[in-house]
Amino acid sequence: GAGVSQSPRYKVTKRGQDVTLRCDPISSHATLYWYQQALGQGPEFLTYFNYEAQPDKSGLPSDRFSAERPEGSISTLTIQRTEQRDSAMYRCASSPGGQGTNEQYFGPGTRLTVT
Amino acid sequence: DAKTTQPPSMDCAEGRAANLPCNHSTISGNEYVYWYRQIHSQGPQYIIHGLKNNETNEMASLIITEDRKSSTLILPHATLRDTAVYYCIVRRIGGSQGNLIFGKGTKLSVKP
Repeated sequence: GAGVSQSPRYKVTKRGQDVTLRCDPISSHATLYWYQQALGQGPEFLTYFNYEAQPDKSGLPSDRFSAERPEGSISTLTIQRTEQRDSAMYRCASSPGGQGTNEQYFGPGTRLTVT
Repeated sequence: DAKTTQPPSMDCAEGRAANLPCNHSTISGNEYVYWYRQIHSQGPQYIIHGLKNNETNEMASLIITEDRKSSTLILPHATLRDTAVYYCIVRRIGGSQGNLIFGKGTKLSVKP
């Protein structure tokens, strides 16, 4: 089936506005990850879900960042009161889940620019 | 998860083998070595992973030293499309689903 998709692909917002980014994982995948990637750097972990459970939020940089996956499929990442330092590529990945050595499949990302 | 060390950049001639080294001297027994690559602005792409035996797939080979403190990713016949940043990642198996810690990677430039 289709791979991981993300929307929007590009988002420009003014400082102080809230933004919500969406991720559609591969349909059979139980586990979903969010990463933030600054220009010239590798992706950095934000949070992940096993179905609708969110066992690890340790990478979220502040309480302005939150994520949901209410039905265990599509996920959203919301950034409240955006700041210029939030400008980055936000990448979603999914994997089949379980306790194996599953690879992660990445989406194309959402490029967020805060002006 | 253990840290990895990679050279920041490497060049390779088109058609030749590209050998990308990675040091992971603090790796523990329940950690795998993974390789991903990121071509330009695309999302990272899984290449290969291994625990202690050498592995080969259609994309690459992974050679892990006997003490598991280092490994080498081999692209046997590099093409221009293999130009990318290559990330060596050590990842714990079992337990909760671990995130990937990417580091800075090696920027491989394949030249004609």
